[in-house]
Amino acid sequence: QITLKESGPTLVKPTQTLTLTCTFSGFSLRTSGVGVGWIRQPPGKALEWLALIYWDEDKRYSPSLKSRLTITKDTSKNQVVLTMTNMGPVDTATYYCARRPSSDGLWLDPWGQGILVTVSS
Amino acid sequence: QSVLTQPPSASGTPGQRVTISCSGSSSNIGNNYVYWYQQLPGSAPKLLIYKNNQRPSGVPDRFSGSKSGTSASLAISGLRSEDEADYYCAAWDDSLSGRGVFGGGTKLTVL
Repeated sequence: QITLKESGPTLVKPTQTLTLTCTFSGFSLRTSGVGVGWIRQPPGKALEWLALIYWDEDKRYSPSLKSRLTITKDTSKNQVVLTMTNMGPVDTATYYCARRPSSDGLWLDPWGQGILVTVSS
Repeated sequence: QSVLTQPPSASGTPGQRVTISCSGSSSNIGNNYVYWYQQLPGSAPKLLIYKNNQRPSGVPDRFSGSKSGTSASLAISGLRSEDEADYYCAAWDDSLSGRGVFGGGTKLTVL
């Protein structure tokens, strides 16, 4: 069974840096073609793709957020970490991580339960 | 604004067939697979259709996907009350060094 779970702070202050961890089980990020992605969803709004890291350390970022995002992986711990700098109220959202089982497009399955992050002073 | 364009809402009565469209461009739908995700109220998104028209195990065959050129569509036949959810199309986009893109989502209401 493949599972992913997001963890991190649920409340951050404006200008702070957000660090989220995706801990997964049931698959390995050493497997060729596999990746883990991050997606967010502001309350009542649409999904927004943020970043993706592949088994071979290749990384892709949303162009509009690239300067603020860093994605890393710890294969031994089965974790992927996303950091987002200079958080603001517009970054309030539920943040999801998901497995990308192969390099065939934006294939995300399964997803974690999500973590709601609120940005407020 | 989302890169992929979906109608914000759709509706149907139980038993009906409804379709949800998704429009993109040559850099995304035109050159890559389309995926559909279902998000039930209060839940995380779930993969519904992969590689344009493939159903993961456990997804009823009432759900089907298709793609033509730079557009795609999701069809739901024999509509049921439990199909009431938000539906998102998604694709990889080859522009700007590669990125994932989603549609704005379609809220399906079962009347």
